[in-house]
Amino acid sequence: QKEVEQNSGPLSVPEGAIASLNCTYSDRVSQSFFWYRQYSGKSPELIMSIYSNGDKEDGRFTAQLNKASQYVSLLIRDSQPSDSATYLCAVSGYSSASKIIFGSGTRLSIRP
Amino acid sequence: GAVVSQHPSWVICKSGTSVKIECRSLDFQATTMFWYRQFPKQSLMLMATSNEGSKATYEQGVEKDKFLINHASLTLSTLTVTSAHPEDSSFYICSARDDGAAWSGANVLTFGAGSRLTVL
Repeated sequence: QKEVEQNSGPLSVPEGAIASLNCTYSDRVSQSFFWYRQYSGKSPELIMSIYSNGDKEDGRFTAQLNKASQYVSLLIRDSQPSDSATYLCAVSGYSSASKIIFGSGTRLSIRP
Repeated sequence: GAVVSQHPSWVICKSGTSVKIECRSLDFQATTMFWYRQFPKQSLMLMATSNEGSKATYEQGVEKDKFLINHASLTLSTLTVTSAHPEDSSFYICSARDDGAAWSGANVLTFGAGSRLTVL
């Protein structure tokens, strides 16, 4: 079983709609959770981080965490063509020395 | 915000030569840096954890004698691909964690722009 699992997609969403990206992880002691966006040929950039159960909103982005279900998601409201990218879910332990493990990414395509 | 500079951004070399990639944290100190490799349409694969002043910790399957990592200061880590071969062609990305992050649980990584290596 992979440590961090994501549906590879592609996920196609019409412009203006809500895009929902999901991620599950296997290590129950994980404490830090991240969503990164990666455009083709570029390095990842941090979109959201979340550390406690519930929702965290930042502009059009909402991260949701459920540690009991070992599940983290990212919602993108009012999707724009510029949101088309690969979204990487990443998980880490509590210690600052913990490795950050990435999922394989979900490719999101926003169609005009 | 935190900035990580990585260079070169792309390099082409002949098989058998060595290539050095630099990763610098520009406005923060980073005791720990990470090196990732990414093949086309695949996810980031952690190669090694670079620790300032000590030996790097390599992931299983990564040859430490082939991928030399030096983390000589709190702002600089280097990855040297020795005796490169075409199968080493890949996108190499470094990342750094800010030592001054407010709390250890943050664990936020800042990535460099990546280095695309092509070995002929």
